[in-house]
Amino acid sequence: KNQVEQSPQSLIILEGKNCTLQCNYTVSPFSNLRWYKQDTGRGPVSLTIMTFSENTKSNGRYTATLDADTKQSSLHITASQLSDSASYICVVSARSRNNNNDMRFGAGTRLTVKP
Amino acid sequence: KAGVTQTPRYLIKTRGQQVTLSCSPISGHRSVSWYQQTPGQGLQFLFEYFSETQRNKGNFPGRFSGRQFSNSRSEMNVSTLELGDSALYLCASNAPGVSLGNEQFFGPGTRLTVL
Repeated sequence: KNQVEQSPQSLIILEGKNCTLQCNYTVSPFSNLRWYKQDTGRGPVSLTIMTFSENTKSNGRYTATLDADTKQSSLHITASQLSDSASYICVVSARSRNNNNDMRFGAGTRLTVKP
Repeated sequence: KAGVTQTPRYLIKTRGQQVTLSCSPISGHRSVSWYQQTPGQGLQFLFEYFSETQRNKGNFPGRFSGRQFSNSRSEMNVSTLELGDSALYLCASNAPGVSLGNEQFFGPGTRLTVL
């Protein structure tokens, strides 16, 4: 079972609408959680990175939340644009014994924004 | 500053051949991670190099290997290619700062097709 579960698997919304993507994890001990945006055929681009003590972080129209107690994170996209069409990947890092980060990847949510 | 560069961008090989992919990280970054991305498995961690030493390794067979040079450039090699090795291979340049979790910057990837 994947330690990072994302939902929904795919999502279609109209331009200008808001949407929320979910990420639930069981990774432990928790180090940090990141959201990446990946356009088709390109490398992922970091949107936000959150540590245990942070519960909200914004990057323009993207707002990520983190509830470390319930081990849930969400990525909220406001006033969507056609360029938001991409895969959004949640990555959770566990603190490993040698102090390096052991990263676990979600399968991603494929977002399509239609005009 | 210049981003992460990967070469080649596209590659076609046949089963049984071997391949070498190259990655140049962001100037000043000493850590490089490699990932395999396929539609079915998503992003999977291959290995991480720091100061010419392999620091972390994912769960891939020994056909997958890598190295890092003194200028932080890294190469990964896949020997005896199999059809299932067809994937997008991503290199990430890791910013220093283990305590907060490394900020990662991905390259555009190398699309490998094995025929």
